Amino acid sequence: NAGVTQTPKFQVLKTGQSMTLQCAQDMNHNSMYWYRQDPGMGLRLIYYSASEGTTDKGEVPNGYNVSRLNKREFSLRLESAAPSQTSVYFCASSEADILAYYGYTFGSGTRLTVV
Amino acid sequence: GNSVTQMEGPVTLSEEAFLTINCTYTATGYPSLFWYVQYPGEGLQLLLKATKADDKGSNKGFEATYRKETTSFHLEKGSVQVSDSAVYFCALIPNDYKLSFGAGTTVTVRA
Repeated sequence: NAGVTQTPKFQVLKTGQSMTLQCAQDMNHNSMYWYRQDPGMGLRLIYYSASEGTTDKGEVPNGYNVSRLNKREFSLRLESAAPSQTSVYFCASSEADILAYYGYTFGSGTRLTVV
Repeated sequence: GNSVTQMEGPVTLSEEAFLTINCTYTATGYPSLFWYVQYPGEGLQLLLKATKADDKGSNKGFEATYRKETTSFHLEKGSVQVSDSAVYFCALIPNDYKLSFGAGTTVTVRA
């Protein structure tokens, strides 16, 4: 089925460890996004990529880096994980021409715990 | 700036009750408005949308009307079911390509 695929679904890290969250979409969308979801705070944008080859910071970029590997893939890296990065991470994609009508397509999320 | 404010939860209802979740927004221009739903353990799914003033979005028995005069997009359902238990997010797209989300409202429907 077409959509956004995130891996892994669950991860536990120790403080200071690094990891990369993977995201791939097969809808040929130009734009991709990383959000984090925390209780009572809704979704906050970490980074986004309007098109292949570009990335920009969102509301809460500190402690993260991203790579738009190609049109399909957009990865999120935590270089030195901290307990404050315990969250559920969502990847999403969209196409500018239809964004106003269809919004984003979301992946199923990665639940990350940093101990 | 652009922002969305939605009623705080959690909201607990009995089956067949009427549900309303308030959403108001601040934006320049004429944003598109959305409601997303997140079922337990899943990602967000688009529930309904409206792209211009007075449009009514509807899906799965839910409705919301884009009210520009009150800058609101309240979500309603006349008779909820246990399967409607979820977190509901109001969102808008202003004139760029990033969605702004509300904080989410958790709804629990009891049998």
